[in-house]
Amino acid sequence: DQQVKQNSPSLSVQEGRISILNCDYTNSMFDYFLWYKKYPAEGPTFLISISSIKDKNEDGRFTVFLNKSAKHLSLHIVPSQPGDSAVYFCAASARGFQGGSEKLVFGKGTKLTVNP
Amino acid sequence: GAVVSQHPSRVICKSGTSVKIECRSLDFQATTMFWYRQFPKQSLMLMATSNEGSKATYEQGVEKDKFLINHASLTLSTLTVTSAHPEDSSFYICSATGGSIGNTIYFGEGSWLTVV
Repeated sequence: DQQVKQNSPSLSVQEGRISILNCDYTNSMFDYFLWYKKYPAEGPTFLISISSIKDKNEDGRFTVFLNKSAKHLSLHIVPSQPGDSAVYFCAASARGFQGGSEKLVFGKGTKLTVNP
Repeated sequence: GAVVSQHPSRVICKSGTSVKIECRSLDFQATTMFWYRQFPKQSLMLMATSNEGSKATYEQGVEKDKFLINHASLTLSTLTVTSAHPEDSSFYICSATGGSIGNTIYFGEGSWLTVV
């Protein structure tokens, strides 16, 4: 059973436009969500995170939105740049619950291509 | 920012031999380290969680006698693949986090293991 789902395996956008990457989760215990960017044959790079007490977190061109009732989060990149082309992973953990841990559960990733 | 380093980045070993991969946190004390493997075009799959000074906790389906994890200090964890087989060939990635529950999890660069 996949607890974190990224239903779009790929996304292609034009440079300068907005990229929206989506992620759904099923486990209501998750209270901390992260987005990672990954290039082939490299480890993931942390981008941005959000706690379940917030519904939005912004860092430069990256904004993450969380809709707890829908168990959905999204990463917005604006404006998109060719250098943003990579695989983006959504991850979740249940930090704040008794017995919770830092253990991350990952989605399968979405490959973003930003065309010049 | 925090840096997690893995070594070696690439290793080729003969079937039946053992190979060790190191994961080091370079500028923070990593009380918890995680080991993942990633197959091509697949998500990151958590193999085990290790806390400094205690035995690693393995995920279901991961053979603890085959994938030996040692977290002897606050800056070093090792993964030893014992009696390696070609199907163990994969991309192995470690991550580390500090003592506070709110700490971000940082990933190493990953290690490509090829068993021939």
